[in-house]
Amino acid sequence: RKEVEQDPGPFNVPEGATVAFNCTYSNSASQSFFWYRQDCRKEPKLLMSVYSSGNEDGRFTAQLNRASQYISLLIRDSKLSDSATYLCVVKVNNNDMRFGAGTRLTVKP
Amino acid sequence: EAQVTQNPRYLITVTGKKLTVTCSQNMNHEYMSWYRQDPGLGLRQIYYSMNVEVTDKGDVPEGYKVSRKEKRNFPLILESPSPNQTSLYFCASSLFKGSGSGNTIYFGEGSWLTVV
Repeated sequence: RKEVEQDPGPFNVPEGATVAFNCTYSNSASQSFFWYRQDCRKEPKLLMSVYSSGNEDGRFTAQLNRASQYISLLIRDSKLSDSATYLCVVKVNNNDMRFGAGTRLTVKP
Repeated sequence: EAQVTQNPRYLITVTGKKLTVTCSQNMNHEYMSWYRQDPGLGLRQIYYSMNVEVTDKGDVPEGYKVSRKEKRNFPLILESPSPNQTSLYFCASSLFKGSGSGNTIYFGEGSWLTVV
């Protein structure tokens, strides 16, 4: 079993749709959680951290469920510019960050 | 501007010909790391460094070497490249202290390496 698992997609949604991705992790001692965004052939960039109480940044909402060991990312009112691959990242300890393989999202007009 | 710079960005080389991919960061980060990204496998860590002269193996270190003689530089060395090392490589740096903004990983733009 992979340490961080994501549905690879692709998720193809129309503009304006709401879409959600989940990510599961295997190490119950994991400390911190993040979503990164990666555009095609580009480097990953931090989208948002995920806090225990859940957090929102504009159209993006991230949630953490420690009991079930998963995190989620919800995107409301999808824009064409949201098309990218979304990487789930789990910090296990101070020198160990684990990446999911990513979920590809395509938003269509 | 905060930057991680890696070179070359694109390289085609032949099996067995030693090559070095350079990486430099201007944020005074202690932590630096190399990843390779392959389709369906995501980012896999090759080597990392917690500080100058401190390096350690990641998940896929075979066939690679690194050095950390200065804080800002962390070159990746392929002594004898093979076709299975054809991949997209990312250098990254981070403060990696505690939670919050200290965890942000800054990536270089990536190096596309093809070994024929």
